[in-house]
Amino acid sequence: DGGITQSPKYLFRKEGQNVTLSCEQNLNHDAMYWYRQDPGQGLRLIYYSQIVNDFQKGDIAEGYSVSREKKESFPLTVTSAQKNPTAFYLCASSIVPGASSYNEQFFGPGTRLTVL
Amino acid sequence: SQQGEEDPQALSIQEGENATMNCSYKTSINNLQWYRQNSGRGLVHLILIRSNEREKHSGRLRVTLDTSKKSSSLLITASRAADTASYFCATARDNYGQNFVFGPGTRLSVLP
Repeated sequence: DGGITQSPKYLFRKEGQNVTLSCEQNLNHDAMYWYRQDPGQGLRLIYYSQIVNDFQKGDIAEGYSVSREKKESFPLTVTSAQKNPTAFYLCASSIVPGASSYNEQFFGPGTRLTVL
Repeated sequence: SQQGEEDPQALSIQEGENATMNCSYKTSINNLQWYRQNSGRGLVHLILIRSNEREKHSGRLRVTLDTSKKSSSLLITASRAADTASYFCATARDNYGQNFVFGPGTRLSVLP
């Protein structure tokens, strides 16, 4: 799982509550990402950030919010507006590639969120 | 829509056999990457192949890329029970190669 940590590993939430998932990396990567994974499916991009204090919506940003106040941290808040939040959430980071470089993404171990 | 689609969705083989997974994509790419995910864990990068490469090897892994057919394949030779995992291909959304689209994955089971 490289130098990325996610906490907690398991999280339970009551309907109507907001909850924040933590993601920290010590790889000195500029770019960070949040993905959602549903059973038997691929990853869908929620939000990404290429630099501190800047972030962009991904494919399924509705009902989620993020912040990027520090380079090493990219917390994700699942709000009560997210209608079906039960899923496996993965955080990743990468370098910001130059024009002729290629990069890989390094993933954290994931947080499994269950709404009760 | 998904940029990459893996095929088959699931594959079950005996230990020692070879496993082949395919990935098709829709638009032009700079590179294609393969990742592995053990159950309930994060993804791990396996190999990257650039658009000007046709084949690449890494240990027991062999990746091919056919840009004319917009497809790639991942071959795992002499499979082991520890290879049991889901395998995903990922392609970049843009020329900066940073923002990826992952396919739904192939779930590989290697039976001892």
